[in-house]
Amino acid sequence: GAGVSQSPRYKVAKRGQDVALRCDPISGHVSLFWYQQALGQGPEFLTYFQNEAQLDKSGLPSDRFFAERPEGSVSTLKIQRTQQEDSAVYLCASSFGGAGTDTQYFGPGTRLTVL
Amino acid sequence: EDQVTQSPEALRLQEGESSSLNCSYTVSGLRGLFWYRQDPGKGPEFLFTLYSAGEEKEKERLKATLTKKESFLHITAPKPEDSATYLCAVRLNAGNNRKLIWGLGTSLAVNP
Repeated sequence: GAGVSQSPRYKVAKRGQDVALRCDPISGHVSLFWYQQALGQGPEFLTYFQNEAQLDKSGLPSDRFFAERPEGSVSTLKIQRTQQEDSAVYLCASSFGGAGTDTQYFGPGTRLTVL
Repeated sequence: EDQVTQSPEALRLQEGESSSLNCSYTVSGLRGLFWYRQDPGKGPEFLFTLYSAGEEKEKERLKATLTKKESFLHITAPKPEDSATYLCAVRLNAGNNRKLIWGLGTSLAVNP
């Protein structure tokens, strides 16, 4: 079966532009997570969905960041009015159930560069 | 404050030279500790989950162990293909909190 996929793999945006990053989780996975990874750092949690419900968005750095998963499958992370400090790799992960100890499987990430 | 610290930051080994990576944690309650491997330009790849002190898991040349304060990833007779960044993460035992808290990783290079 296919793993987690993300698109685009690379995105270059001019400062102030809006961007949308897509995540296709493993089919049937209930939980979906977004992380931000700066160069040389570990991933930093952004937000978590269980089906279509966004249960934790405590890691979103500002109100310019917005995530949705309207049908409980594909998710989109939107960043409005991008800033240079938003440049990072955005990772999506999914897990089978709602149990917190379920293994999270990661996609390849989207590398965002804001000029 | 909940924290995960990995050491060393970088490690260079000769092929066949065994070593260990460390992940120490100070958290309010541990629900699980995870080891991942990350290759350049790719997402983290799951290796192991450990739940309680004394637990050990093995996969090929890798063995992960857990105590109440830290976890070790032992690499026996490494090969060049083991070169990667190894990341440790913990999930807290705090209600419905699902997020993982990550260390900064250990960058491992194995020379042939």
